[in-house]
Amino acid sequence: QKEVEQDPGPLSVPEGAIVSLNCTYSNSAFQYFMWYRQYSRKGPELLMYTYSSGNKEDGRFTAQVDKSSKYISLFIRDSQPSDSATYLCATNSGGYQKVTFGTGTKLQVIP
Amino acid sequence: GAVVSQHPSWVICKSGTSVKIECRSLDFQATTMFWYRQFPKQSLMLMATSNEGSKATYEQGVEKDKFLINHASLTLSTLTVTSAHPEDSSFYICSARDPGGAETQYFGPGTRLLVL
Repeated sequence: QKEVEQDPGPLSVPEGAIVSLNCTYSNSAFQYFMWYRQYSRKGPELLMYTYSSGNKEDGRFTAQVDKSSKYISLFIRDSQPSDSATYLCATNSGGYQKVTFGTGTKLQVIP
Repeated sequence: GAVVSQHPSWVICKSGTSVKIECRSLDFQATTMFWYRQFPKQSLMLMATSNEGSKATYEQGVEKDKFLINHASLTLSTLTVTSAHPEDSSFYICSARDPGGAETQYFGPGTRLLVL
């Protein structure tokens, strides 16, 4: 079993839709959670960074962590064609341990 | 956020040659950098952790004599793919640990390597 599971998609939504991207993880020691956006042939770009359970909002993006169910989510409101990319969840246990990445979900927002 | 650059952005070489990829932190000092490899439609695979002034730590299954890493300064780490072969063709991405102490990394734009 992979430490972080993520549906690879692709996920296609119409412009303006609310997008929900999700990951599950198995290691209860994970405390720090990140979402990265990766455009084709580019390096990942950090979108959200959270610690422990709870929600964090930044503009159209909301990251949600539920440690009891080992479930992390990224919501994108009013999705735009420019949001079309692969979204990677990532996590680690702190202490500068190795970051574990999900396989990424490819999102396509259709105009 | 912190800015990380890579050079070159893409390279094509003949089989058997060596290729050097540079990773620079532009506006901060990075004592630790990471090298990843990414195949099409797959996630990032950590190859090694590069520490300034000391030997790199390689992940299991990564040949340290094949992928030479040098982290000679606080802003520069290099990855040299020695005697490259077609199976080394991939997207190589470096990252640096957040300079503010957060448990996250900032990535470079990546280098696409094609070995003929």
